[in-house]
Amino acid sequence: AQSVTQLDSQVPVFEEAPVELRCNYSSSVSVYLFWYVQYPNQGLQLLLKYLSGSTLVKGINGFEAEFNKSQTSFHLRKPSVHISDTAEYFCAVSEWGLTGANNLFFGTGTRLTVIP
Amino acid sequence: DAGVTQSPTHLIKTRGQQVTLRCSPKSGHDTVSWYQQALGQGPQFIFQYYEEEERQRGNFPDRFSGHQFPNYSSELNVNALLLGDSALYLCASSLISGGETQYFGPGTRLLVL
Repeated sequence: AQSVTQLDSQVPVFEEAPVELRCNYSSSVSVYLFWYVQYPNQGLQLLLKYLSGSTLVKGINGFEAEFNKSQTSFHLRKPSVHISDTAEYFCAVSEWGLTGANNLFFGTGTRLTVIP
Repeated sequence: DAGVTQSPTHLIKTRGQQVTLRCSPKSGHDTVSWYQQALGQGPQFIFQYYEEEERQRGNFPDRFSGHQFPNYSSELNVNALLLGDSALYLCASSLISGGETQYFGPGTRLLVL
């Protein structure tokens, strides 16, 4: 069975400071990895995804994430945050393989609050 | 491109009632997935429809059922509503292949009293 752990439920950070949101996963098969952002009263928007290849993935709004297979982690980073980055961030995995399934398993989310 | 649309945006029901939520996928997408997001939680997978059939199902009771139409739009039905069904219901559309990005709609917020 798959599971996703987001280690921090809330992360406060000052504007223009760097931030890292942590995500660890467990799965018995290989997975695809995703980070989504959810602004208040809205649906989810994809920030970035890892399918294969380079373990460093760049996404929208200056975010990037690094896949570490040995540590089963997919941490999200941004070198300098803005007020507009205040939102809920979700890490998600989907398995790949013969079943062809692609439903997403989500973590419980990390609330990023950028302080002016 | 209108993206994924959902209706209604908000809904209030009482225990025991039935509800139908609707979703129109992003243009070109053939797969619709439904998720339930309780307050303060991450979305949980309910089921996925492809070619008008339920392809995969999460850990939800049979009170939750769905349908996909030939134009790829989809409905989520919940019977015998419980207070615990209060949540944001998210629809996501994608292509069927593994790793394809799922695009989410704004959701329908259901309150069961």
